[in-house]
Amino acid sequence: NAGVTQTPKFQVLKTGQSMTLQCAQDMNHEYMSWYRQDPGMGLRLIHYSVGAGITDQGEVPNGYNVSRSTTEDFPLRLLSAAPSQTSVYFCASSYGGRREKLFFGSGTQLSVL
Amino acid sequence: AQTVTQSQPEMSVQEAETVTLSCTYDTSESDYYLFWYKQPPSRQMILVIRQEAYKQQNATENRFSVNFQKAAKSFSLKISDSQLGDAAMYFCAWGNYGGSQGNLIFGKGTKLSVKP
Repeated sequence: NAGVTQTPKFQVLKTGQSMTLQCAQDMNHEYMSWYRQDPGMGLRLIHYSVGAGITDQGEVPNGYNVSRSTTEDFPLRLLSAAPSQTSVYFCASSYGGRREKLFFGSGTQLSVL
Repeated sequence: AQTVTQSQPEMSVQEAETVTLSCTYDTSESDYYLFWYKQPPSRQMILVIRQEAYKQQNATENRFSVNFQKAAKSFSLKISDSQLGDAAMYFCAWGNYGGSQGNLIFGKGTKLSVKP
């Protein structure tokens, strides 16, 4: 099983550019989420989805958009990249109902110059 | 709002010895769960251990065990017989069973070094 797949693994952007971080899971999980990890800050929730067509904001949503058109995919869009968005991004998913654990992707290292 | 505090930014342990990583949290919820995640240099997030708040018995997974003190809102991780492969960042996390199940609140992490 592939689990949670994130692409790309590394990306360098210039300020003002846009891009989409891809996330796909093959476990039929209802719940998916995006976190960012910054040094000394732990992981912070950006956006999450409890099912196809349903998304909501987390702790640090500004500058990011998400959509959930299918159960499998949950892309994260940066509309106009800023240096403050330099971070490691993790996508995660879990089963519906009584969730046992989060399954994490391998992360995307993003640098905005 | 829930918070998770890891007061030890860095810890060090000798190989084969025991180390305890501290975690405290603040919540008004009565039904929740707690995790310890390990993040080695590969960056992958690996679940170490999970504890449900309604269970009084402390969770154990091989060399890893927790000391869960619900009244004190404390959730420490004990690693016994430390191995070189245990060197990593360790994150404590809190989650609940409410409408946003799966949204975890993470601490800032503890970097564990293991000396041979």
